[in-house]
Amino acid sequence: EDQVTQSPEALRLQEGESSSLNCSYTVSGLRGLFWYRQDPGKGPEFLFTLYSAGEEKEKERLKATLTKKESFLHITAPKPEDSATYLCAVIIQGAQKLVFGQGTRLTINP
Amino acid sequence: DARVTQTPRHKVTEMGQEVTMRCQPILGHNTVFWYRQTMMQGLELLAYFRNRAPLDDSGMPKDRFSAEMPDATLATLKIQPSEPRDSAVYFCASGLVRVREQFFGPGTRLTVL
Repeated sequence: EDQVTQSPEALRLQEGESSSLNCSYTVSGLRGLFWYRQDPGKGPEFLFTLYSAGEEKEKERLKATLTKKESFLHITAPKPEDSATYLCAVIIQGAQKLVFGQGTRLTINP
Repeated sequence: DARVTQTPRHKVTEMGQEVTMRCQPILGHNTVFWYRQTMMQGLELLAYFRNRAPLDDSGMPKDRFSAEMPDATLATLKIQPSEPRDSAVYFCASGLVRVREQFFGPGTRLTVL
């Protein structure tokens, strides 16, 4: 069965304290891995798509990387406005649908 | 600023009542998705459409849920009869087949008493 597991479930950091979120997957034929950000009371907001191992994407303080088994979302010198739940999702071969992980709830304290 | 819109944003109803949620996808997007989000299960895909045709509704309880796209600008998700376990936030998302990124609406928070 296709599975997406995110860790940790929750992470609390001080402003400026860099860290990484993990998304590991076991799927039959990965066609793409997606990172979304979700703020309370809102829908998920698209951040990145990664298609092949070794690929990296950056946006402001965020960088996403992909290996054959997992993806990392690196957060460099985070600010309080980076506080949100970060969701990882995969598209598997032959399907258009996303399979989501449970998310990591990130809190950045000032 | 193109975005997915959903109505209503909040709905409180009693068990047994019919609930209809509506979604307007981004103009030009040809795929539409319905998701349900709960604390326990996270985001689950209920159904999706491509060019208004249903492609997969395996995530949806068939006996009480139905999803339709009467036209390219409107998708509906109906629950009849509703049950307390249906309480959740329901999201609609749209996208383009080739691009694959999905753009989510703000959600409908449903509470069934």
